Amino acid sequence: EVQLVESGGGLVQPGGSLRLSCAASGFSFSAYAMNWVRQTPRKGLEWVSYISSSSSMIYYADSVKGRFTISRDNAKNSLFLQMNSLRDEDTALYYCARRIRGRSDHWGQGTLVTVSS
Amino acid sequence: DIQMTQSPSSLSASVGDRVTITCQASQDISKYLNWYQQKPGKAPKLLIYDASNLETGVPSRFSGSGSGTDFTLTISSLQPEDIATYYCQQYDNLSMCTFGQGTKLEIK
Repeated sequence: EVQLVESGGGLVQPGGSLRLSCAASGFSFSAYAMNWVRQTPRKGLEWVSYISSSSSMIYYADSVKGRFTISRDNAKNSLFLQMNSLRDEDTALYYCARRIRGRSDHWGQGTLVTVSS
Repeated sequence: DIQMTQSPSSLSASVGDRVTITCQASQDISKYLNWYQQKPGKAPKLLIYDASNLETGVPSRFSGSGSGTDFTLTISSLQPEDIATYYCQQYDNLSMCTFGQGTKLEIK
């Protein structure tokens, strides 16, 4: 069974940093691209970042470019999102999801990031 | 950037009804359109990919159609467990994507 478990969320002040993790199991992690998607009540679902299976291709939404860094450790079946210079508008539930072509076929349960002073 | 517009934003229907949700892209996206179902407190679940392909394990009462800029998700006979918010999502290349704003489906 495919499982994705996010962790690392929490309360952080504006300008601060957080590192999210996603532990994958039940599939050959190194064979799949992955992405991060976030959700807020106001903006709905927003794609954040994509990383190919070998980390050779990485893309970011304009809203996080230059502040967030996606990475993965295939030996440890783990996906990461380093978030720096956090803003109020980054407050959201962050999901990791497995990517097959343009679709996300498995999602984690999400980890909540709250940016507030 | 490609914008996705879903309609209606909310919908109330009776059990057994045929339900249709539409999604319009701001430019031609061929068949690069997926549909997700999200129940309260849960992660989104993939229903339909590439406009009309049913994801494994999804009931056959769900179907998708369309190409270019106009797409439709249809539930042929609404069931109580279909109460959820539905999202379309386009991908204009294999990496970046955009979601619609969602359609909240309720039982009448």
